[in-house]
Amino acid sequence: DQQVKQNSPSLSVQEGRISILNCDYTNSMFDYFLWYKKYPAEGPTFLISISSIKDKNEDGRFTVFLNKSAKHLSLHIVPSQPGDSAVYFCAASSAGTASKLTFGTGTRLQVTL
Amino acid sequence: DTAVSQTPKYLVTQMGNDKSIKCEQNLGHDTMYWYKQDSKKFLKIMFSYNNKELIINETVPNRFSPKSPDKAHLNLHINSLELGDSAVYFCASSQADGRETQYFGPGTRLLVL
Repeated sequence: DQQVKQNSPSLSVQEGRISILNCDYTNSMFDYFLWYKKYPAEGPTFLISISSIKDKNEDGRFTVFLNKSAKHLSLHIVPSQPGDSAVYFCAASSAGTASKLTFGTGTRLQVTL
Repeated sequence: DTAVSQTPKYLVTQMGNDKSIKCEQNLGHDTMYWYKQDSKKFLKIMFSYNNKELIINETVPNRFSPKSPDKAHLNLHINSLELGDSAVYFCASSQADGRETQYFGPGTRLLVL
């Protein structure tokens, strides 16, 4: 029962271009969404989040878009840099169990020169 | 000055053994977590403690027992290890039991032979 899905296991983007990572969820109780970034042999690190009362949140080169009707969110990275190469995890939580994050399986982003 | 640290980083052991993984955070956070990332890369929460009290206990075999001697430490003890326990175990912490950012440790790679 995978409630958070990242259907693209990998993505390759040229440096300077836009990276778009997608995430879909099935649980309509989710109201808070996060993106984490993970380098090999390290733990995930928080990148950006969005509450369901918003449809967009921006932090520097990173923007997260939320489409509640489609139960879809996306992370845009522009411009992409080689240091962005990592695995990106989408996560979600609901108000009732706020500290419990449900993660997707991740998308490996490769930014090429 | 590591925020969330785990020991050991690697653990190779035989089936049937008992082992412990230690986690410490120096962020002054109230809530700590254990996650398991299996071979399919699913990152799933196992336990969560807030101020030394268990608040999340997912469907985890009772061979897994978390112990929190103080709010800076959350250790994971595993009895009678099985092949299926092979995974990467991540410890995490957050300021409070809520929508606060979770900070992850580097992970402990457990291999059961």
